[in-house]
Amino acid sequence: QAQLEESGGGVVQPGRSLRLSCAASGFTFSDHAMHWVRQAPGKGLEWVALITYDGNNDFYADSVKGRFTISRGNSKNTLFLQMNSLRPEDTAVYYCAKDEARGAAGGAFDIWGQGTLVTVSS
Amino acid sequence: QSALTQPASVSGSPGQSITISCTGTSGDVGSYQLVSWYQQHPGKAPKLIIYGDNKRPSGVASRFSGSKSGNTASLTISGLQAEDEAHYYCCSYAGSVNWLFGGGTEVTV
Repeated sequence: QAQLEESGGGVVQPGRSLRLSCAASGFTFSDHAMHWVRQAPGKGLEWVALITYDGNNDFYADSVKGRFTISRGNSKNTLFLQMNSLRPEDTAVYYCAKDEARGAAGGAFDIWGQGTLVTVSS
Repeated sequence: QSALTQPASVSGSPGQSITISCTGTSGDVGSYQLVSWYQQHPGKAPKLIIYGDNKRPSGVASRFSGSKSGNTASLTISGLQAEDEAHYYCCSYAGSVNWLFGGGTEVTV
């Protein structure tokens, strides 16, 4: 069955960088847009970024634009999130999520990873 | 853009029906047939239970149903069960390649 597994979280100082990875299996990774969604401790969900199925286009929430970069390696079924200039308010569990539509993003996230915790603190 | 508005909590007895509302604007909920709903148990990842306003993924119990009227979407759980106790989040495509979530509703059975 379709699965996603994140890695790369940890504790990092404000202003530093961190790179998250998400390994996909059980579905044709290159057919689907992929997203990152985050959840601050005890808070709700926030959409972070989208990359199209072919990796040619990427889009971001205003809160991370210019600091985060989403990318993918379709040959290795892996999604990435490069996070630069991290702030305390970026502290959250970061989930990768598969878009339910094939091709263009369809508006729903049908498969989620278990999440990886990023803590930004001095 | 502001988050979608959901009630903080809803409760019901086993077997009853409950409805969770999700209010947005004409720029998000009211513009696209792209409202989805997610169930999240403590310490777990969210799970998709409704997409495209009212479509249910395979494997999701038929007691979960979605609807929409104007700028307000709703999730109804019929025949409430103990395992339905969780947080529920609505989400809508908001145009310009952006998605908005609601603040979440805690359901107590």
